[in-house]
Amino acid sequence: EVQLVESGGGLVQPGGSLRLSCVTSGFSFSGYSYDWVRQAPGKGLEWLSYINAGGTLIYYAPSVKGRFTISKDNAENSLYLQMNSLRDEDTATYYCARELGNDGEGYWFDSWGRGTLVTVSS
Amino acid sequence: QSVLTQPPSASGTPGQRVTISCSGSGSNIGGNTVNWYQQSPGTAPKLLIYSHNQRPSGVPDRFSGSKSGTSASLAISGLQSEDEATYFCAAWDDSLSIWVFGGGTKLTVL
Repeated sequence: EVQLVESGGGLVQPGGSLRLSCVTSGFSFSGYSYDWVRQAPGKGLEWLSYINAGGTLIYYAPSVKGRFTISKDNAENSLYLQMNSLRDEDTATYYCARELGNDGEGYWFDSWGRGTLVTVSS
Repeated sequence: QSVLTQPPSASGTPGQRVTISCSGSGSNIGGNTVNWYQQSPGTAPKLLIYSHNQRPSGVPDRFSGSKSGTSASLAISGLQSEDEATYFCAAWDDSLSIWVFGGGTKLTVL
């Protein structure tokens, strides 16, 4: 069974840092691309970042570019999101997702973790 | 303000057919495939439709998707109480080089 489990969320002060982890199981981690998506309380989904299977292609949403860093460790079957200079508006549940697809059919997020809550507050 | 536009709410009675629209532009829906995600309260999003109209294994054929130009639609036929959830559309935006989502449509089964 494909599983993605996020951790590392919690309460942090504005300006602080946090590192989220997403541990995967049930499939070959190294062969896939991944994304981070967040959802502020009572709000919609916001895509944050993408990393390809080789770790050579990375994209960020403008709202987090320069503050957040995505990375992956194939040996640990894990995806990470380093979050620096956190702001009140970063308060959200953060989800990791596996991305599938190809140039012909397009791409999609086929599996999601349950999320980890990050609260930025003084 | 979401890049893709969805109605905030929709409703129907059991057995009815409902549709949810998603409007974008040439740089996202117009040039790329559209995916739909279902999110029940307190749970993570779940892939419902990918590549405009493909259903992952396990998704009932009551759910269908379509795309025309820069808009897409999700149709749910034979509405059931367990379909009560929030539905999000998504597409890659070539101009922004980001994934964009709709604001979500909360479906109520009356």
